[in-house]
Amino acid sequence: EVHLVESGGGLVQPGGSPRLSCAASGFAFSTSAMTWVRQAPGKGLEWISYISSSGGILYYADSVKGRFTISRDNAKDSLYLQMNSLRDEDTAVYYCVTLLYDYGGADFFNNWGQGTLVTVSS
Amino acid sequence: EIVLTQSPATLSLSPGERATLSCRASQNVNSQLAWYLQKPGQAPRLIIYDASNRATGIPARFSGSGSGTDFTLTISSLEPEDFAVYHCQQRSSWPLTFGGGTKVEIK
Repeated sequence: EVHLVESGGGLVQPGGSPRLSCAASGFAFSTSAMTWVRQAPGKGLEWISYISSSGGILYYADSVKGRFTISRDNAKDSLYLQMNSLRDEDTAVYYCVTLLYDYGGADFFNNWGQGTLVTVSS
Repeated sequence: EIVLTQSPATLSLSPGERATLSCRASQNVNSQLAWYLQKPGQAPRLIIYDASNRATGIPARFSGSGSGTDFTLTISSLEPEDFAVYHCQQRSSWPLTFGGGTKVEIK
């Protein structure tokens, strides 16, 4: 069974730089592309980043480009999101998500973690 | 960026009734659309992909239809566990985008 556990969320000051982690198990993480999706309180879903299985292909939403960095450690079955220059509007639950087809292109979201809440506030 | 517009924002129905949810894309996405169900405090769950294919374990009362720019999710007879928020999402082009969601609430 696929299991994704996010961590690293919490209260962060504007301009802060937390790093989110996602521990993956139950599937072949090293050969799977991964994504981060976020959801602001009471709002809809927003895809924010994609990383290929090797880590060589990265995509970002415009809202986070230049501030967030996605990475992975296949030896540790772990996905990361380094968040810099946080703003109030980055307050959200951040989900680690696998892809359905995982062929290297745009895709649907398959397995979701439980999410970790990042609250940006002074 | 492809914008997805869901309607209605809220649907008030009783258990056993039929639910019809709409998702309209700002440009042609062919059949590259999915639907997700999200219960309060939980992560979303994929229920329909490629417009009309049910995901693993999804009951037959859920069905999806449409192509191009207009899509529909139908729940033939609402069960108590179906009252939730439903999101549509396209994979036709980057960035991957979601609709604003439709809340199906108990009348």
